[in-house]
Amino acid sequence: NAGVTQTPKFRVLKTGQSMTLLCAQDMNHEYMYWYRQDPGMGLRLIHYSVGEGTTAKGEVPDGYNVSRLKKQNFLLGLESAAPSQTSVYFCASSPQETQYFGPGTRLLVL
Amino acid sequence: AQSVTQLDSHVSVSEGTPVLLRCNYSSSYSPSLFWYVQHPNKGLQLLLKYTSAATLVKGINGFEAEFKKSETSFHLTKPSAHMSDAAEYFCVVSAVTSGTYKYIFGTGTRLKVLA
Repeated sequence: NAGVTQTPKFRVLKTGQSMTLLCAQDMNHEYMYWYRQDPGMGLRLIHYSVGEGTTAKGEVPDGYNVSRLKKQNFLLGLESAAPSQTSVYFCASSPQETQYFGPGTRLLVL
Repeated sequence: AQSVTQLDSHVSVSEGTPVLLRCNYSSSYSPSLFWYVQHPNKGLQLLLKYTSAATLVKGINGFEAEFKKSETSFHLTKPSAHMSDAAEYFCVVSAVTSGTYKYIFGTGTRLKVLA
């Protein structure tokens, strides 16, 4: 039981490049979330999903898109990366209220 | 609306002395509250949670927190700090919006443990 895993662990992008971050969970959780963590700001919700095939916007959705084609996977896409998207990205899943977090993806946009 | 305030951005304690990390919350109804710990370059690990059962909640690694409705507080304590407790700690309140549970995070408290 791996819990929540994230791929990749670290990535460097140039401004304007695109990439996809993958989150996978093996706990059969309905809910999944993407957050970004910036110094002194805690974690902020980007997008979330309440089930396979559904997505919704969180607090800071601009510049990101998501998809949940399979229950166990939640993808976060950056179509045209900007330096302001340099951050640490965390995925989480939950059966209902309590969330379980992945190890994070560190993204640097130059 | 729900919110959470962590009163200290940094706390330093000596090894073997008590730890107190302070958290105040605001909620229009009886909240669910959580403490998470994040060690350097790691993900967030659940320490403990309060969900309207006992007001004193025991968590992992000797941590506990007390829910005080009259003070709208949920402070995290540990009787004796260990070097391995050095990390960042987040207080979280859970809110239901559009039928979905969402977390509202505090800005974090970085705990330093001195030898």
